[in-house]
Amino acid sequence: DIQMTQSPSSLSASVGERVTITCRASQSISIYLNWYQQKPGKAPKFLIYSASSLQSGVPSRFSGSGSGTDFTLTINSLQPEDFATYYCQQSYSTPQTFGQGTQVEIK
Amino acid sequence: QVQLQESGPGLVKPSETLSLTCTVSGGSVSSGSYYWSWIRQPPGKGLEWIGYIYYTGNTNYNPSLKSRVTISLDTSKNQFSLKLSSVTAADTAVYYCARDGGVLYWPDPWGQGTLVTVSS
Repeated sequence: DIQMTQSPSSLSASVGERVTITCRASQSISIYLNWYQQKPGKAPKFLIYSASSLQSGVPSRFSGSGSGTDFTLTINSLQPEDFATYYCQQSYSTPQTFGQGTQVEIK
Repeated sequence: QVQLQESGPGLVKPSETLSLTCTVSGGSVSSGSYYWSWIRQPPGKGLEWIGYIYYTGNTNYNPSLKSRVTISLDTSKNQFSLKLSSVTAADTAVYYCARDGGVLYWPDPWGQGTLVTVSS
C-alpha cells in the first residue's frame, strides 16, 4: 500500500492568513493526488483533483501543487468557513489511501 | 446531480455481519464509467477505503478487509450494498458510500455517512 503522510497534524491560524499543508507519498504517484475538506459531522468535501485542478465551485483561494511524492495544499487568505480538517488521498493505485488529516484551527 | 444515501442498522453485535445499503438518485449504478465505493471513518480518526464495485459487478477490495468484505449491486433498485462479516469493536465507524471514477480518479460525491457501532 502507498502510505500518505501529512504535516502538520494540526495548525492554528488567523483569518486572512495564508496556510500551507504538505502531503508526502511513500512512492511516486505522479499527479494522482486529491484533497478533501471535512467539517465535524459532515462528509468530506472534494476540493482539488490531480494535484492542482480545482473542483467546480471551490473558491479560488484554494490551490494545490506538486508531483511525484511531494504535494501541497495552500489556502490564501483563510476565511472563517475554512476551519476544518483537510485530507490528501492518492488515487494512483488501489487500495486508495488517505493522509491522517490536518486540522486547521482558529488562532 | 447524483446523490447518495446510506441506510442500515446503527448497532451490530460482535462476530455478526454489518450490512449497509447505498441508494443512488440522479444517476444510475448501471451506467458505465463509474465505480461505487465504500469508505469508513472510525470516531475521531482518518478515512479508510473499503472497496468498490463497477457496473459490470467487478469488485476491488482493500486487502486489509478483503477476507470479510462483500460489495454488491442491485440495479433494479439503483442501490449497492456492503457486507462486513465477523465484526469487532474496531469496525465501529461512520460508513460512507461514494461514486468513484476508479484508478487515477476520485470519490465524489459522497453520502452523508451513517454511524455503525459494534457492541453487545
